[in-house]
Amino acid sequence: GAVVSQHPSWVICKSGTSVKIECRSLDFQATTMFWYRQFPKQSLMLMATSNEGSKATYEQGVEKDKFLINHASLTLSTLTVTSAHPEDSSFYICSARVSETSTDTQYFGPGTRLTVL
Amino acid sequence: GENVEQHPSTLSVQEGDSAVIKCTYSDSASNYFPWYKQELGKRPQLIIDIRSNVGEKKDQRIAVTLNKTAKHFSLHITETQPEDSAVYFCAASINDMRFGAGTRLTVKP
Repeated sequence: GAVVSQHPSWVICKSGTSVKIECRSLDFQATTMFWYRQFPKQSLMLMATSNEGSKATYEQGVEKDKFLINHASLTLSTLTVTSAHPEDSSFYICSARVSETSTDTQYFGPGTRLTVL
Repeated sequence: GENVEQHPSTLSVQEGDSAVIKCTYSDSASNYFPWYKQELGKRPQLIIDIRSNVGEKKDQRIAVTLNKTAKHFSLHITETQPEDSAVYFCAASINDMRFGAGTRLTVKP
């Protein structure tokens, strides 16, 4: 149980275009989902936290108008990278938690590798 | 906000030896401390976690200890095997999870 999927697994796009990444909890309902970014040989950096039906909470330094997050249902959250630039190239990973309780386990998706040319 | 520091950044051990990775956190309100193993290009996999009402937890060759007073927690892997080679991340959570910088563990056969 507790499977989280992401789509696509990798994407290559031209500079200036927008890319949408989907994160789905397949066998449980996720009250809270998280989006992380991981650059090569670095740690996971939290970008934003989203709760179903409400606006996402962005970390300091993460532009909310550039990284649009929509948590429309208890099983789906999307991250849209708008007007992508080469510096946005990274590994984007989502995670999902059953409840808002901080001690509940987070389950990670397989990640999406974004390359912006 | 929460700040998690992790040491060492790299660790090389001989197969069969033990490996210890240490983390400290800054916010005493953190109450959940998971450890993740990540292989190259893959998702982080939870290997063990501990909650703040527990001082130690063990699962076969893996154990985690937590010292709330000192605000540090450690991962212990005994009888290491080559397949344990990966990057290990500690994390501390209040409402959201903050990760340490990671430790690249290499187990030499």
